[in-house]
Amino acid sequence: AQSVTQLGSHVSVSEGALVLLRCNYSSSVPPYLFWYVQYPNQGLQLLLKYTTGATLVKGINGFEAEFKKSETSFHLTKPSAHMSDAAEYFCAVSGPGNTGKLIFGQGTTLQVKP
Amino acid sequence: NAGVTQTPKFQVLKTGQSMTLQCAQDMNHEYMSWYRQDPGMGLRLIHYSVGAGITDQGEVPNGYNVSRSTTEDFPLRLLSAAPSQTSVYFCASRPPGGEAFFGQGTRLTVV
Repeated sequence: AQSVTQLGSHVSVSEGALVLLRCNYSSSVPPYLFWYVQYPNQGLQLLLKYTTGATLVKGINGFEAEFKKSETSFHLTKPSAHMSDAAEYFCAVSGPGNTGKLIFGQGTTLQVKP
Repeated sequence: NAGVTQTPKFQVLKTGQSMTLQCAQDMNHEYMSWYRQDPGMGLRLIHYSVGAGITDQGEVPNGYNVSRSTTEDFPLRLLSAAPSQTSVYFCASRPPGGEAFFGQGTRLTVV
C-alpha cells in the first residue's frame, strides 16, 4: 500500500527566497513519485516525476526534487521563489508497472510575499 | 487535443437524487481514476480502473459506483446524493507508470 505525507499545509516565503516543500511517502514496492501544481480554479499540472534512474529530478519552472530512499522523502525545491509560484502543490506516489493507484498527499499552499 | 473531458462543470443536486459525472479521454490511456478534492484533505481516490472491464475501489468509495465499458469513458455515479458528497471531482487518465492528466473538474453541491 502507498501513502503520502506532506509536512506543512501552508508555507510562506519571500520573493527570491528558497522554496522547500516536504513530502514523505510510504510504499511496499519501489515507488514512482510525482509533484503536481494547482493554480486557483484549475486542474492539476505535472511539475516533475521520478520513476527510475537519476535521483535528482528537474522539472518545469525551475523546480527540482530529490528521491532519497533511505529517508523515504521526495522534497521539492526551487532556489528563488517568484510571485507566480503561489499555488497549491501536491506530492503523489504510485507503484511501478500495473499498479493503477496514484495516491496524493494533503497538499501544501505556497504563499510568496513581495 | 481534447485530453480529459469532464461534464458537467457545475451541478447542484438535492439530497437523495442520483446523477452521473461523465469522463472521457482521447489519449488511449489504460488507467483512469476519479478523485474528490476537499479543503485540507488533498485529492482522495474514489475509484480507479486499469483497463476496460476492470475497476477497483480507492480510499473513499462509499456512495459511488463506476464502470469501464470502453477505454475512453469512465463515468462516476452517485447513487443517492448526500451533503457530505459536496466537493470538487476530478477525473484523470494515465499510462502505466506515467503522469496523470486531469480534467478541469466538476464542482458538485448537494443541498
